[in-house]
Amino acid sequence: QKEVEQNSGPLSVPEGAIASLNCTYSDRGSQSFFWYRQYSGKSPELIMSIYSNGDKEDGRFTAQLNKASQYVSLLIRDSQPSDSATYLCAVSQMNSGYSTLTFGKGTMLLVSP
Amino acid sequence: DTEVTQTPKHLVMGMTNKKSLKCEQHMGHRAMYWYKQKAKKPPELMFVYSYEKLSINESVPSRFSPECPNSSLLNLHLHALQPEDSALYLCASSHIPGQGIGELFFGEGSRLTVL
Repeated sequence: QKEVEQNSGPLSVPEGAIASLNCTYSDRGSQSFFWYRQYSGKSPELIMSIYSNGDKEDGRFTAQLNKASQYVSLLIRDSQPSDSATYLCAVSQMNSGYSTLTFGKGTMLLVSP
Repeated sequence: DTEVTQTPKHLVMGMTNKKSLKCEQHMGHRAMYWYKQKAKKPPELMFVYSYEKLSINESVPSRFSPECPNSSLLNLHLHALQPEDSALYLCASSHIPGQGIGELFFGEGSRLTVL
């Protein structure tokens, strides 16, 4: 069974701090890894994708992937109250003609002013 | 703005009603998906269409009937639903493998309430 594990939180950080979100996965055949942000009552929004080991930076967001440890993380620098949301880690297995995503249960992030 | 459009955004229906959820994408994607999400839970896969053909049905009850009329449209027909089917229904699309890395782009969702 493919599993994606995340700490459900909430993770509370003050405004301006670095928020660190972590995720582990069980399927070594996983090929791509994603972080989605979901505000309450809204749909998931893709904020980062990564598929090779190392770091990938996009603005205030950095995704880190370590396939040997089966570990993905998301760092949010200079956290803002508007970053308060649930962050879903998702792991992709690509099939012939489509992808299947396995989601973690999500980590709730609370950024206090 | 999302490039995957879902209608209606909100739907309230009785257990004897027949209704449909609609999804449209204009990103040239050839894979489309229906997910169901209950409160405080991650999205759960229901159906996958690839090249307008049903590729995955995750043992979804027959009261949910998907349809993919063309490469841009995906429908979910609803009939004789139960109150426990109340949820956020999410449509998503993606490139086929080889043309992308497998990221799914979600629509804004249709909030369904079954009375």
